[in-house]
Amino acid sequence: GESVGLHLPTLSVQEGDNSIINCAYSNSASDYFIWYKQESGKGPQFIIDIRSNMDKRQGQRVTVLLNKTVKHLSLQIAATQPGDSAVYFCAENIGGYGQNFVFGPGTRLSVLP
Amino acid sequence: EPEVTQTPSHQVTQMGQEVILRCVPISNHLYFYWYRQILGQKVEFLVSFYNNEISEKSEIFDDQFSVERPDGSNFTLKIRSTKLEDSAMYFCASSETGDNQPQHFGDGTRLSIL
Repeated sequence: GESVGLHLPTLSVQEGDNSIINCAYSNSASDYFIWYKQESGKGPQFIIDIRSNMDKRQGQRVTVLLNKTVKHLSLQIAATQPGDSAVYFCAENIGGYGQNFVFGPGTRLSVLP
Repeated sequence: EPEVTQTPSHQVTQMGQEVILRCVPISNHLYFYWYRQILGQKVEFLVSFYNNEISEKSEIFDDQFSVERPDGSNFTLKIRSTKLEDSAMYFCASSETGDNQPQHFGDGTRLSIL
């Protein structure tokens, strides 16, 4: 379900462990997806993207998985570090001329020392 | 690394007044966007802009809002007759093209309507 207001889903992980953040998207026709990281007082920061013709993409310490059958995205962060603490949003491009992105409600990742 | 810059970082305005939020997109980018984030909520799309005209706009972007690229570097969002519920973070973003490209965001302007 969707979170409203200040009640973001929160994921707490130990430093060094792997993190998995999940996102359900809404539109089966969406063909492009982005994961963003947002630190307090900052704008969303691009992490990794994936197109709908792929089911997996890897970056530096991050992997995005796309399951179009169930409209699900996940972001895996390997060896989570304190600097990874932030709110993570998935965004889907629902199409139209000019890239209309719809953002998910976000997940707060807290990295414990 | 090139970045999107926004000014001011915080704008306080009386209800009913007009505000202009300013953005300098990344220089070789052709598509520009405004988003809004009400405190504690998700980021919401307002408008996209290409070739000096609006490409897409959301239901939020009504006649109260307008965008402009007054010169070769700035991209502005004007909000007329501001209301209390316009209080939010406003983010500008840009992308190289409009075809499945990452959008790069500025750090936003916090708009507080009193």
